[in-house]
Amino acid sequence: NAGVTQTPKFRVLKTGQSMTLLCAQDMNHEYMYWYRQDPGMGLRLIHYSVGEGTTAKGEVPDGYNVSRLKKQNFLLGLESAAPSQTSVYFCACTVQYGTGRFEQYFGPGTRLTVT
Amino acid sequence: TQLLEQSPQFLSIQEGENLTVYCNSSSVFSSLQWYRQEPGEGPVLLVTVVTGGEVKKLKRLTFQFGDARKDSSLHITAAQPGDTGLYLCAGPSNFGNEKLTFGTGTRLTIIP
Repeated sequence: NAGVTQTPKFRVLKTGQSMTLLCAQDMNHEYMYWYRQDPGMGLRLIHYSVGEGTTAKGEVPDGYNVSRLKKQNFLLGLESAAPSQTSVYFCACTVQYGTGRFEQYFGPGTRLTVT
Repeated sequence: TQLLEQSPQFLSIQEGENLTVYCNSSSVFSSLQWYRQEPGEGPVLLVTVVTGGEVKKLKRLTFQFGDARKDSSLHITAAQPGDTGLYLCAGPSNFGNEKLTFGTGTRLTIIP
């Protein structure tokens, strides 16, 4: 049981290049998320999905796209990378037990540098 | 927009000392969570508090949810180097329980 895994762990891109970050979960959770974490700014939600085939925008969606073709996978794409997208990216999934009761599990993160 | 402010931003203390960190908001939350994040890893859930005034203990860590459900605190007794990390509070967005709002975190360093 690997929980939440992310690929790759590190990546360096040049401005304008594209890439896809892969998140996989083996917990059969419906909800999945992509966050970015920057110094002094905490975790900010990029996009999320409440189920297979559905996606929604979070707090900072510009410059990113996502797809959830399979329940266990959530892909984050950068079509034309910019230095402002240098960050650590975390994927997470959530299980809900009831109103206000849920647990969110995070992957180990992807450190992306755009030069 | 719901905001969660955490204080202090940084805290460095000697092993064995006690400490308290805070998570405050002007908004009411249905619940609040505390996470700990170690370098190079993702956040790990420590606790969820749901009821106003609720106190939960996890070994040497004591979590309290404010009576008005706008704030929370984390108290660590006899801190140990293993407590070092980034502590984040989070609460469900008022747009739906499926999204969380995170605080900016308190970076705690315990000096041996």
